[in-house]
Amino acid sequence: DIQMTQSPSTLSAFVGDRVTISCRASQTISPWLAWYQQKPGKAPKLLVYKATNLASGVPSRFSGSGSGTEFTLTISSLQPDDFATYYCQRYKYDSYSVTFGGGTKVEIK
Amino acid sequence: QVRLVQSGAEVKKPGASVKVSCKASGYTFSGFFIHWVRQAPGRGLEWVGWINPDNGGTNYAQKFQGWVTMTRDTSSSTAYLELNSLRPDATAVYYCAREVKGFDYWGQGTLVTVSS
Repeated sequence: DIQMTQSPSTLSAFVGDRVTISCRASQTISPWLAWYQQKPGKAPKLLVYKATNLASGVPSRFSGSGSGTEFTLTISSLQPDDFATYYCQRYKYDSYSVTFGGGTKVEIK
Repeated sequence: QVRLVQSGAEVKKPGASVKVSCKASGYTFSGFFIHWVRQAPGRGLEWVGWINPDNGGTNYAQKFQGWVTMTRDTSSSTAYLELNSLRPDATAVYYCAREVKGFDYWGQGTLVTVSS
């Protein structure tokens, strides 16, 4: 099975900071990488699909990059609403399996 | 608008079974896979498996093979997740999600608590 490793597991930042979250796959998965935001007690929300495509309605301060086995989610200027946990996910339409990263909790500094 | 509405919270004793429903609306149910994802208290997201609503085909994560069953009823646009032989470590919120470009719509989650 493909393993997905996120780093860091926790991140403390100020409002306005540029934040990057990394995700590494145990083998090449390009471009089948998605990013989700989850707030306590809520379902996850899709932010980015196919590594670099912003989902509908997602603010432009979010962006995804990377290829092969290394991927990054960037928040260009952290806003109060962005404090949440973020997950990467390896997926593919009609895929045999799906794997989530362990999550990165973004906290207020 | 697209909506996935799940059934309410359940409390079950060890060894029992539970069936969680996920009713879809606002799109063609048979057109897109439905996935199930679980989240144990304080833990991350864990993929359970998918069902193809068009033909009923399924694929389960290896960890869940043998104790989960996914079905669907196309007449009511509803997907089901049945968990059998429940153990306390099955306590979690179970989500359904539609796959289009990633998992673009999610249900609100169903808390299943397994306790004696």
